[in-house]
Amino acid sequence: GENVEQHPSTLSVQEGDSAVIKCTYSDSASNYFPWYKQELGKRPQLIIDIRSNVGEKKDQRIAVTLNKTAKHFSLHITETQPEDSAVYFCAASPQPSFGNEKLTFGTGTRLTIIP
Amino acid sequence: NAGVTQTPKFQVLKTGQSMTLQCAQDMNHNSMYWYRQDPGMGLRLIYYSASEGTTDKGEVPNGYNVSRLNKREFSLRLESAAPSQTSVYFCASSPGLAGAGDTQYFGPGTRLTVL
Repeated sequence: GENVEQHPSTLSVQEGDSAVIKCTYSDSASNYFPWYKQELGKRPQLIIDIRSNVGEKKDQRIAVTLNKTAKHFSLHITETQPEDSAVYFCAASPQPSFGNEKLTFGTGTRLTIIP
Repeated sequence: NAGVTQTPKFQVLKTGQSMTLQCAQDMNHNSMYWYRQDPGMGLRLIYYSASEGTTDKGEVPNGYNVSRLNKREFSLRLESAAPSQTSVYFCASSPGLAGAGDTQYFGPGTRLTVL
């Protein structure tokens, strides 16, 4: 099955600087890569996703890049703000068998923005 | 729309007791999922239901059973709770459309402690 590794496990960044979180996956059939943000005591929420036919996607201060050859994808947050402090999870999903997506999650990165 | 709801929010069980975690969604989604979240382990899939009437095992199904009661509701049952099942349990749903990429929406979670 799919295996997703995520690094680093913790990351501290000065407010206004950029943060980068990296994930690698094992199943070359994976073609959907979402990122979730989870604030303390809250549910995970999707912040951005990318599909295998796209190399990069951007949404305001957040961007995701995908390298299918190397089987890795990254989350980039620019101009970080205190409200970016949270745990971030990457995930990967292969071709669906029934039209649903079985996500395999990374172990998470705890991002702390230092004011 | 309430989205995905879960009951209860908190539960304490003694070893060997049984209980059912309830999940419901009002987004007319086809697919539903149960995850457990443990520190440093990310989110691990327990069971999923691609559509009403079908269920399949995920990564960590041992000790659990599920029922897809109807399109809206998907319950998770612990027949004989063990301390290793102490965790936060999240239910999620997704539209379940054929093809790649299907955003999953999470419920607020149930924090379960087994003594």
